[in-house]
This record gives sequence, structure tokens and C-alpha cells, in this order.
Amino acid sequence: EAGVTQSPTHLIKTRGQQATLRCSPISGHTSVYWYQQALGLGLQFLLWYDEGEERNRGNFPPRFSGRQFPNYSSELNVNALELEDSALYLCASSLRGAETQYFGPGTRLLVL
Amino acid sequence: QKEVEQNSGPLSVPEGAIASLNCTYSDRGSQSFFWYRQYSGKSPELIMSIYSNGDKEDGRFTAQLNKASQYVSLLIRDSQPSDSATYLCAVNGEIGNQFYFGTGTSLTVIP
Repeated sequence: EAGVTQSPTHLIKTRGQQATLRCSPISGHTSVYWYQQALGLGLQFLLWYDEGEERNRGNFPPRFSGRQFPNYSSELNVNALELEDSALYLCASSLRGAETQYFGPGTRLLVL
Repeated sequence: QKEVEQNSGPLSVPEGAIASLNCTYSDRGSQSFFWYRQYSGKSPELIMSIYSNGDKEDGRFTAQLNKASQYVSLLIRDSQPSDSATYLCAVNGEIGNQFYFGTGTSLTVIP
């Protein structure tokens, strides 16, 4: 069974640009979560999508947004990139109603 | 802001010893607790979940939960060099599936 997949693995952008990160959940999982892991910091919760709807978001500015598609894959968009957005962005998925989350390999975003 | 605290380490133990990793959390309403292992440059992988007070064992791993003390721990018996990683404690938030993570404890098992 394939795990959570993310693309791209690495992304380099300059300040002010927009970044789009993609995630495909484990087959059968309807919930997708996005986390930011900056160097030396813990995982910070960004967004939770389930059945195409945003269910909850963490303490991040509105320039962090996303969506979930009918096939449950998801996209994270970061507008007006800032240097401090450089981090590993992790996507996780879970079954509907289940709490156990399984992580993808991450996208490493570097903002220059 | 919910807080999950872990000693950052590094924690070093000799091969074959017991490694003890600790985590405290601030939200008394939390009901679900998870331990993840993260190798350098990799994504977190689930080790164990625990929901009730007491101990839960899975192979060489034992999770311990004390909700009154708001404390959860992970014991690794017969530690192996392959256990060297950062261990993340995760606690659920008020709204079901939102997790709060600690910053992780770095463990090194010395051969």
C-alpha cells in the first residue's frame, strides 16, 4: 500500500513569490493535515482538510492557504513568501474520524 | 496556545540500555497521545499511541500515561543504534484531529 506522497521534494523560491505544495493521502484516507517544521523547531499545525472542507487551521497568517480536491489530494499555497517560511512542510493523512496520522516525506522549501 | 514540552537532549545511552523519554502537556482536556520517531532528514513515523492511564507495551517500546500529572513517557528497552533519532511527542487538541507536537528529544544509542 502506497504511503502519503508529496511533491516536489525540494522547492526554491525568492521572497515575495508564491509556492504551491502538493500531497496525496494514503488510499482510503479522507483527512489531510499540513504542518511546518522550521529548523530547530517542532512541528507547527497549519491546516486540516476533510471531505473537501477546511476543518481547522493553526496560528498562521492568511497567506497560508490550501484546498482539498474530490480525490482527497491537497494543495498548500503560500503567498508573498518570506525568508522565515523556509522550512520542511509535512503532509499527513488519516482515516475519517481517526486520530492516527501518517506522514509523507515532506517538501523542503527554501526562500531566498 | 497548547504546549507540549520535551527535553531536547541530546540523550545518550549505551547499546542494550533503557532509554527514557519524557513529555508534559498543558491541556488537561487532551485525550490522545502519540510518539513519533524522526530520523534526520526524514518524516515522522508513528511508534505508539496511548489513550488511557497506565502502561502500553509494544515490543521494545512502552508508553506510559499519567493524565493527573499531565505526563507521558516512552521507554525503549534494549536500545539499538538504529533507535538513534529524534522522538516527538504529540497530543491532540480540543478539536479532535489537531495535534500539538513537542520539539522532540534527540536520542543517540552508543554501540
